[in-house]
Amino acid sequence: KQEVTQIPAALSVPEGENLVLNCSFTDSAIYNLQWFRQDPGKGLTSLLLIQSSQREQTSGRLNASLDKSSGRSTLYIAASQPGDSATYLCAVTNQAGTALIFGKGTTLSVSS
Amino acid sequence: SQTIHQWPATLVQPVGSPLSLECTVEGTSNPNLYWYRQAAGRGLQLLFYSVGIGQISSEVPQNLSASRPQDRQFILSSKKLLLSDSGFYLCAWSWADTGELFFGEGSRLTVL
Repeated sequence: KQEVTQIPAALSVPEGENLVLNCSFTDSAIYNLQWFRQDPGKGLTSLLLIQSSQREQTSGRLNASLDKSSGRSTLYIAASQPGDSATYLCAVTNQAGTALIFGKGTTLSVSS
Repeated sequence: SQTIHQWPATLVQPVGSPLSLECTVEGTSNPNLYWYRQAAGRGLQLLFYSVGIGQISSEVPQNLSASRPQDRQFILSSKKLLLSDSGFYLCAWSWADTGELFFGEGSRLTVL
């Protein structure tokens, strides 16, 4: 059974700092991996999608990498801003492409 | 462009009452559809997914059920709510080929 773990559970940084969020998964037979952002009381917003054949994806200040063989992904946030404060969730899709399994998330707080 | 609508946004129901949450997707056809639940302090739990009209897969045995009466409509139901059904329910859709998931704004259910 696929399990997704995110470390750390919470992170506080000053504005301007570069940071890395970690995600690990137990079964490397995945279809894709997706990073989401969730603001309190809101739905999830898709940030980056990495297909199983890809190694990384970039969007603005965000860069996500995928190492399937080791079962790991990282989300790199450059020059963090207070508006980046949110919970970041990692999810992997099974090879049938029918269901995502989520980690519990990393709650990020960026102080000005 | 594609949009996903979910309602009601907030619901307070007594134990033993029925439940119906609705979700519709616009701007695409034959999407995969999902219901997730996010309980306080826990990760997102996949409840149901559907790859087509009338095709429902259940991930967790419980007193909830799902139906897909139309291509872009997904309904989550219960005949008798339990206290443990309280949580944040999220509907989502994806394209079958990429598997990228897009979420609605969620429905917060409180069972008293």
